[in-house]
Amino acid sequence: SSDLTQDPAVSVALGQTVRITCQGDSLRNYYASWYQQKPGQAPVLVIYDRDNRPSGIPDRFSGSSSGNTASLTITATQAEDEADYYCSSRDSSGSNGVFGGGTKLTVL
Amino acid sequence: QVQLQESGPGLVKPSETLSLTCAVSGNSISSGYHWGWIRQSPGKGLEWIGSINHSGTTYYNPSIKSRVTISVDTSENQFSLKLSSVSAADTAVYYCVRDASAGFVVSFDYWGQGTLVIVSS
Repeated sequence: SSDLTQDPAVSVALGQTVRITCQGDSLRNYYASWYQQKPGQAPVLVIYDRDNRPSGIPDRFSGSSSGNTASLTITATQAEDEADYYCSSRDSSGSNGVFGGGTKLTVL
Repeated sequence: QVQLQESGPGLVKPSETLSLTCAVSGNSISSGYHWGWIRQSPGKGLEWIGSINHSGTTYYNPSIKSRVTISVDTSENQFSLKLSSVSAADTAVYYCVRDASAGFVVSFDYWGQGTLVIVSS
């Protein structure tokens, strides 16, 4: 089982706002990063250091964190945002990486 | 532009050793970043395998630690993964990544395209 817990699936209407969450004790000490993965493609980093976006990632993607929960928020969701989203952080030892189980985002 | 490219056999027999190499371009492997491997079984989520820093210090997923070796070849600007005693459960797409994690921040900022390794006789 993963140290990080995500809802398996979330849906959002086109143009609306959606929040994807990631829970885990290690998130009290380490910032989560978020990855978008479309079918047949490698994951892409969309958020790191709690709320920083790599170059080229639209500003409709944002991150936040409170206690043991990290969140990825997508505002004005576009059809191309339909994908699997994974959070990542450290495990409880602080030495090893760990991923959440992933959330499948469907844009209606 | 940092680019990573995995290479290695796409088919490995059970009980044998899986060996993959990741060629790095656009960034010296001695630059101070960690370099790592992540895998994804068909239809499943991502699993962190391990990482290595520029000085050769390694970190491995406890669940497979006894079977994993990650090494760096600075002369070729590449790093490698060896996974011994493989079984069908090791069938996955294997990604090499640049691990930009530091302090409280965890971040895999560059990924290879991934290579599918099937374990089958």
